Amino acid sequence: KNEVEQSPQNLTAQEGEFITINCSYSVGISALHWLQQHPGGGIVSLFMLSSGKKKHGRLIATINIQEKHSSLHITASHPRDSAVYICAVSLVIYNQGGKLIFGQGTELSVKP
Amino acid sequence: NAGVTQTPKFRILKIGQSMTLQCAQDMNHNYMYWYRQDPGMGLKLIYYSVGAGITDKGEVPNGYNVSRSTTEDFPLRLELAAPSQTSVYFCASSRVWDRSSYEQYFGPGTRLTVT
Repeated sequence: KNEVEQSPQNLTAQEGEFITINCSYSVGISALHWLQQHPGGGIVSLFMLSSGKKKHGRLIATINIQEKHSSLHITASHPRDSAVYICAVSLVIYNQGGKLIFGQGTELSVKP
Repeated sequence: NAGVTQTPKFRILKIGQSMTLQCAQDMNHNYMYWYRQDPGMGLKLIYYSVGAGITDKGEVPNGYNVSRSTTEDFPLRLELAAPSQTSVYFCASSRVWDRSSYEQYFGPGTRLTVT
């Protein structure tokens, strides 16, 4: 069983829909990261959070440390949101140099 | 700032050949990483470095070597390329701003095919 599990693996939505991507993890973490990988391949960091909730534009990320679960929400989705969304966790052990463990990604396609 | 840069963008190697993937960052980040991404799989850590002169193995180091002589550069060397090394390679760097969490910045990737 992977230490970081994402669901769903694939998601197709209509423009304007509210989207939720889930991430569960089984290890002790110092932070959880949400990354976005566009079809061209580049990876950018969207959020890094260790508690509560963060918001940036139409994107919202939440984390529940007790339940070892995080969600990424996209409000009013748009075709330009089509990408692979990757959940990753930083281990709690400091001398691991901030190594990340990655989920397999969720491929999102938003249709006009 | 250019951020994290990687060269080349694409490369085709024959089995048994060697090559070096270049990675550089201009953000004065201490930490640098090499990942590979195979289709349908999550990113896997190959090697990482917490500073110049210090490197350590990740999950999948076999068939690769690294060096870190400067803060800026972190090349990845493939010796005796094998088809199993066909993948997309990403270099990343991070800034230590908190003892327990690190945001990583990624390069654009190198698509390598070994035939």
